[in-house]
Amino acid sequence: GAGVSQSPRYKVAKRGQDVALRCDPISGHVSLFWYQQALGQGPEFLTYFQNEAQLDKSGLPSDRFFAERPEGSVSTLKIQRTQQEDSAVYLCASSLAASGGADTQYFGPGTRLTVL
Amino acid sequence: GNSVTQMEGPVTLSEEAFLTINCTYTATGYPSLFWYVQYPGEGLQLLLKATKADDKGSNKGFEATYRKETTSFHLEKGSVQVSDSAVYFCALRKGGFKTIFGAGTRLFVKA
Repeated sequence: GAGVSQSPRYKVAKRGQDVALRCDPISGHVSLFWYQQALGQGPEFLTYFQNEAQLDKSGLPSDRFFAERPEGSVSTLKIQRTQQEDSAVYLCASSLAASGGADTQYFGPGTRLTVL
Repeated sequence: GNSVTQMEGPVTLSEEAFLTINCTYTATGYPSLFWYVQYPGEGLQLLLKATKADDKGSNKGFEATYRKETTSFHLEKGSVQVSDSAVYFCALRKGGFKTIFGAGTRLFVKA
């Protein structure tokens, strides 16, 4: 059984470039999450999807960040006009249930974004 | 707001030593509490969880007890192995799906 996969694993961008990060959740998982993990810190919540609906985007740091999950499966996190402070590991997670509680979130390996 | 504070690392232990990683939280009501582990080169994995006061989560020899009176969820293991070397994250979730993580504690176990 495949876990959560993310691509690319590493991305180097020049300041001002747009980037797109992809997440393939576990098949059949309803919920999908994006987190940002700065070096030496814990992951911080960015946004949450239930199927194709984006129910919470309160953690997105600016309007340069945009996420979508148009068919309720694969998700893309897009960052426009990247800045150096966007350098981080971007983690995707999925879970089976539609609501939270203590449902297990399964994490992908992350995409390490470096903005020069 | 809700938050998690865990002890700073790195923690360096010899094999078979006793491990404690402290974690305290701030939240109203009764959040669910988690410990995640990140092995070198791998993604975050759920290690254990507890959903109500006095619950004990356990897995792979690790344990943590949900203490409401001290708002704590300390991680313990009686005898660590070199293979336990990793970064450990304490986390909480309340009222939904947003998980709040601590900063992580790196553990080194020497043979």
